[in-house]
Amino acid sequence: DIQMTQSPSTLSASVGDTVTITCRASQSISYWLAWYQQKPGKAPKLLIYKASSLESGVPSRFSGSGSGTEFTLTITSLQPDDFATYYCQQSNRYPLTFGGGTKVGIK
Amino acid sequence: EVQLVESGGGLVQPGGSLRLSCAASGFTFSSSWMHWVRQAPGMGLVWVSRINIDGTTTTYADSVEGRFTISRDNAKSTLYLQMNSLRDEDTAVYYCVIPQSGTAAADPFNYWGQGTLVTVSS
Repeated sequence: DIQMTQSPSTLSASVGDTVTITCRASQSISYWLAWYQQKPGKAPKLLIYKASSLESGVPSRFSGSGSGTEFTLTITSLQPDDFATYYCQQSNRYPLTFGGGTKVGIK
Repeated sequence: EVQLVESGGGLVQPGGSLRLSCAASGFTFSSSWMHWVRQAPGMGLVWVSRINIDGTTTTYADSVEGRFTISRDNAKSTLYLQMNSLRDEDTAVYYCVIPQSGTAAADPFNYWGQGTLVTVSS
């Protein structure tokens, strides 16, 4: 199975900050990487797919980059609604696997 | 509007069985692969299973292979997950999800149900 490792597992930031989350795959997954946002008690929401494509309706302050084994999610000018947990997911090979999550909290 | 409504969760003893359902609407159910993803309390997301459009192809995570069975009824636009020989570690919220294009194996999941909680405990 492809292991997905996210870092950091938690981070504290302030409104207006730029935040970067990293996701590493245990083997190359090309660009088959998605990012999700999840708030407590809610289902995850797709933000980014194919490493850098923005899902329809998602604010442009979210961006993704990377290919192969290393990927990043960047949130520019963090907003109050962005405090949540973020997950990466590879879809290059089954079984599909997710990262362990990064919780973005308020500093 | 796409809607996925899971049901069938609850408390079950170890070794017991449960069948989850996911009622789908707002899209052409019979043209979409369907998946189940679960999340243990306070933990991350884990992919469980997928099924193709006519139910002839299924795939499972190793952790549920042989115990869980995914199926679908296209006439009722409903997805199922039959869970047998349940273990404590199967305790989780189970989400019904749709891949973005409906058919591509590598598609991300752009629609999720609200989830149904399964608790395995004596």
